[in-house]
Amino acid sequence: QQQVKQSPQSLIVQKGGIPIINCAYENTAFDYFPWYQQFPGKGPALLIAIRPDVSEKKEGRFTISFNKSAKQFSLHIMDSQPGDSATYFCAAYTLYSGGGADGLTFGKGTHLIIQP
Amino acid sequence: DAGVTQSPTHLIKTRGQQVTLRCSPKSGHDTVSWYQQALGQGPQFIFQYYEEEERQRGNFPDRFSGHQFPNYSSELNVNALLLGDSALYLCASSRDSINEKLFFGSGTQLSVL
Repeated sequence: QQQVKQSPQSLIVQKGGIPIINCAYENTAFDYFPWYQQFPGKGPALLIAIRPDVSEKKEGRFTISFNKSAKQFSLHIMDSQPGDSATYFCAAYTLYSGGGADGLTFGKGTHLIIQP
Repeated sequence: DAGVTQSPTHLIKTRGQQVTLRCSPKSGHDTVSWYQQALGQGPQFIFQYYEEEERQRGNFPDRFSGHQFPNYSSELNVNALLLGDSALYLCASSRDSINEKLFFGSGTQLSVL
């Protein structure tokens, strides 16, 4: 079964610190790697995404680093705030050349707490 | 602009029953996908509907079926419920079938007793 392995399972960081969440994948057919943020009682919300031909992407305080040869990617949150406390999921999926895409394969999630 | 709306928000069923969950996509979106999220886990892809047809399917038994209507809304049906079907069921919509920007609803929490 296709898998995306995410670590750590939980993470506690002081306000202003830089939490780093890591993901690894096996399937080289994956074309797109999004990160989602989920608050309790809500559905996941797209944060940022990257394609494998790019090594880094920044959007606001969120940065994805991508290492295609190692089949790993990570999320960094700069100047973290208590409001960033949530569960973060990495994901991956395959685009089809004829159009359409496979469903997303999600990691198991990282429960992040930013302490004031 | 209403986002993805799902109903009901919570549901309790007994083993062996059937359930129907409903989803209205975000305005302007034509593709709907369904995911199952067990407690403490990441969402798992069930299937995707585009142009009223099931386009992709994850590793779920055929007890899980769906439908998309001409207005792009969708239903997820689960027959012969098992205790293990207890989960949060998430609907996601996008402007096309390539999943580039998926918007998720808040989900339906299904408990099977």
